Amino acid sequence: EVQLVESGGGLVQPGRSLRLSCATSGFTFGGYAVTWVRQAPGKGLEWVGFIRSKTWGGTTEYAASVEGRFSISRDDSKSIAYLQMNSLKTDDTAVYYCSRYNTTWFDYWGQGTLVTVSS
Amino acid sequence: DIQMTQSPSSLSASVGDTVTIACRASQSINNYLNWYRQKPGKAPELLIYGASSLQSGVPSKFSGSGSGTDFTLTISSLQTEDFATYYCQQSSSTPLTFGGGTKVEIK
Repeated sequence: EVQLVESGGGLVQPGRSLRLSCATSGFTFGGYAVTWVRQAPGKGLEWVGFIRSKTWGGTTEYAASVEGRFSISRDDSKSIAYLQMNSLKTDDTAVYYCSRYNTTWFDYWGQGTLVTVSS
Repeated sequence: DIQMTQSPSSLSASVGDTVTIACRASQSINNYLNWYRQKPGKAPELLIYGASSLQSGVPSKFSGSGSGTDFTLTISSLQTEDFATYYCQQSSSTPLTFGGGTKVEIK
């Protein structure tokens, strides 16, 4: 069974950093891209970024709203992806989901982890 | 960036009804269009990928159509678990973008 489990969310002050983890199981992690999507309270879904598999260079792409502040990495030996969030703003408050990016769609999602940026 | 516009933003329907949700892209995305259902407090679930392909395990009452810039999601025989918010999403180019969502409510 494919599973993705996010962790690392919580309350953080503006300007500080936080790292989210996405632990996966049930599939060959190294063969897939992983993406992060967020959802602000009461709002719609917003793509944050993704990391390609090593086969495709392991490269990353990001939404303009987080470019330069957030970075995604992966540890294929542990089947875990990470979202490093720096210089956090109140607008970054959201539930953050990781998802497996299969070809061109998000086919499996984690349950999400809430990040609250507030002083 | 490719903008995705869904209509309507909300609709009311009864159990057993058939509903159709539209999604329009600001430029051609071929068939790089996916649909998701999100129940309250839960993660999104993939329903349709590639505009019209049904995700494994998803009942056939969900169907998608369209190509280029105009797409539709049709849900037949609405059940209580289908009262949720639906999102379209394009994967033609980055940044990947979602529509604003369509909330399907019980009449």
